[in-house]
Amino acid sequence: SAVISQKPSRDICQRGTSLTIQCQVDSQVTMMFWYRQQPGQSLTLIATANQGSEATYESGFVIDKFPISRPNLTFSTLTVSNLSPEDSSIYLCSVGSGGDTQYFGPGTRLTVL
Amino acid sequence: GESVGLHLPTLSVQEGDNSIINCAYSNSASDYFIWYKQESGKGPQFIIDIRSNMDKRQGQRVTVLLNKTVKHLSLQIAATQPGDSAVYFCAVRTGGYQKVTFGIGTKLQVIP
Repeated sequence: SAVISQKPSRDICQRGTSLTIQCQVDSQVTMMFWYRQQPGQSLTLIATANQGSEATYESGFVIDKFPISRPNLTFSTLTVSNLSPEDSSIYLCSVGSGGDTQYFGPGTRLTVL
Repeated sequence: GESVGLHLPTLSVQEGDNSIINCAYSNSASDYFIWYKQESGKGPQFIIDIRSNMDKRQGQRVTVLLNKTVKHLSLQIAATQPGDSAVYFCAVRTGGYQKVTFGIGTKLQVIP
């Protein structure tokens, strides 16, 4: 399975600011995914990031709030914009390594004050 | 749309006993099922998967059972150890390349 890292591992941000989360994979992958995991809850897919095209967003998530970049096959960023306390969550990236299974990064824990 | 749920939010088992975690799904077109383990402060870790053309698959100390008739799957952990304490999620694919829906999670507590 791919080795996935995320930066930062955690952050505390002020309301109204933005946070950009980086996801790096040790091999080239076609599919990268961004999830949100609110405290004590399950994972909700935000968007699918494909290299060379715009991200595909799930219902309830919009590009203005969660812009995503995917400049190459090993890297992606998720920005959470105009932060509010409701955005306090763990943000996870995952990759599809060519098979059916997704493998996850360690997550970024965001707290918004 | 797809809904995926778990019967028990918290499961406490004695060390050495077997654990069974259940998951129900709603879409009969679902074709691929995965169990993940998430320890505190970490991302979900792949445990085992099963395709819809199978009804049982075994790994090391873990077994996944799939009952497509009632749209139910379970994860069995044999001889549960303290290191098994975590939240377990089922994830279900219903069309779409690698796109899955996660269940609500079950917290497994192992009592030494």
